[in-house]
Amino acid sequence: DGGITQSPKYLFRKEGQNVTLSCEQNLNHDAMYWYRQDPGQGLRLIYYSQIVNDFQKGDIAEGYSVSREKKESFPLTVTSAQKNPTAFYLCASSMGETQYFGPGTRLLVL
Amino acid sequence: GIQVEQSPPDLILQEGANSTLRCNFSDSVNNLQWFHQNPWGQLINLFYIPSGTKQNGRLSATTVATERYSLLYISSSQTTDSGVYFCAGGASYNTDKLIFGTGTRLQVFP
Repeated sequence: DGGITQSPKYLFRKEGQNVTLSCEQNLNHDAMYWYRQDPGQGLRLIYYSQIVNDFQKGDIAEGYSVSREKKESFPLTVTSAQKNPTAFYLCASSMGETQYFGPGTRLLVL
Repeated sequence: GIQVEQSPPDLILQEGANSTLRCNFSDSVNNLQWFHQNPWGQLINLFYIPSGTKQNGRLSATTVATERYSLLYISSSQTTDSGVYFCAGGASYNTDKLIFGTGTRLQVFP
């Protein structure tokens, strides 16, 4: 089936630790996105990539890093510089205007 | 930047009732989209509607771009309609960066 997968579903981070969230799509979409959602809030854009080997910062990129080495994959690393990482992270992709979302990863700090 | 305001913030309905959700933008936007987030966090794209009216089953949406607002109509609501409804749009100079509203939380009771 075509779609967007994210793993893991839940992730626990210790203080000072970097963690990487996976996002894979088999929709052959060019563009991919990472969003953060805090409780009771809308989504905020972290990073986006319109093409392989290129990406741009969104509105809240500080403390995060990404790579886009393959069209299908857009992993997000939450670094130790991100002081408040507890949130729900959503990955999306698009070909054209409409964005399609993965099931999300919940990140919790221990 | 563009501000997105959604109303009402919360809505409680009995099954079978109709409802209208509103989305106002502080400036002109392109690629206006409506999403439904189910209780498990999955976002589903309902409509891509930069202008005009679209219908899909019991749902329909209307965007009046010149007045910077969009409406989502839900008719004969069902318990499965429960969740949070978000609208989002991008500025004309960067349509990749979707700005989300804070959502309308809908609860439908039998």
